[in-house]
Amino acid sequence: AQTVTQSQPEMSVQEAETVTLSCTYDTSENNYYLFWYKQPPSRQMILVIRQEAYKQQNATENRFSVNFQKAAKSFSLKISDSQLGDTAMYFCAFMKGNNQGGKLIFGQGTELSVKP
Amino acid sequence: EPEVTQTPSHQVTQMGQEVILRCVPISNHLYFYWYRQILGQKVEFLVSFYNNEISEKSEIFDDQFSVERPDGSNFTLKIRSTKLEDSAMYFCASTRQGASYEQYFGPGTRLTVT
Repeated sequence: AQTVTQSQPEMSVQEAETVTLSCTYDTSENNYYLFWYKQPPSRQMILVIRQEAYKQQNATENRFSVNFQKAAKSFSLKISDSQLGDTAMYFCAFMKGNNQGGKLIFGQGTELSVKP
Repeated sequence: EPEVTQTPSHQVTQMGQEVILRCVPISNHLYFYWYRQILGQKVEFLVSFYNNEISEKSEIFDDQFSVERPDGSNFTLKIRSTKLEDSAMYFCASTRQGASYEQYFGPGTRLTVT
């Protein structure tokens, strides 16, 4: 069975600074996808970034980037130039690769506070 | 931009009552999901649905739960006899194709069982 672990329940960062959120996962699959979702106080789940396991290049979306270490089964999220609107719960998630639709397996979440 | 909608936003029910949570997925999406999040905890997968049948379900999704796509647009989650521990936020999600594609989440229904 796959598991996702986020070891940082809470983090804080000053506005405009950079912060890195950690995520590790365990799987015996070779074909899978990894995601970071953001859940602001409204509780809506919003996709931040996605990484395909077969790609060596780390995914980047504007101020958000990941450090994907497949051998170490690590998938951290870096937020550059943090903004107040980045304050939210961040969930790391895993999905097996298949053609029948995949369930997301989430980590416990990291609550990020961006301070002015 | 198309979005997933859910109704109601908040449902209060008494223990033992049946509830139906409703979702309208994005119109050209083919895969549908229900997740739940107990307050302060992680989001947990309940069930996935494709081609009018359940693709996969979790251990949480026992005989008290059922899903249906009654009319080609709505996707419902029914809990037959609610328990206190069913109190949670329930999220519906949909995706155009299968794995690797972004799952678009609805805003959630907060279910409170008293």
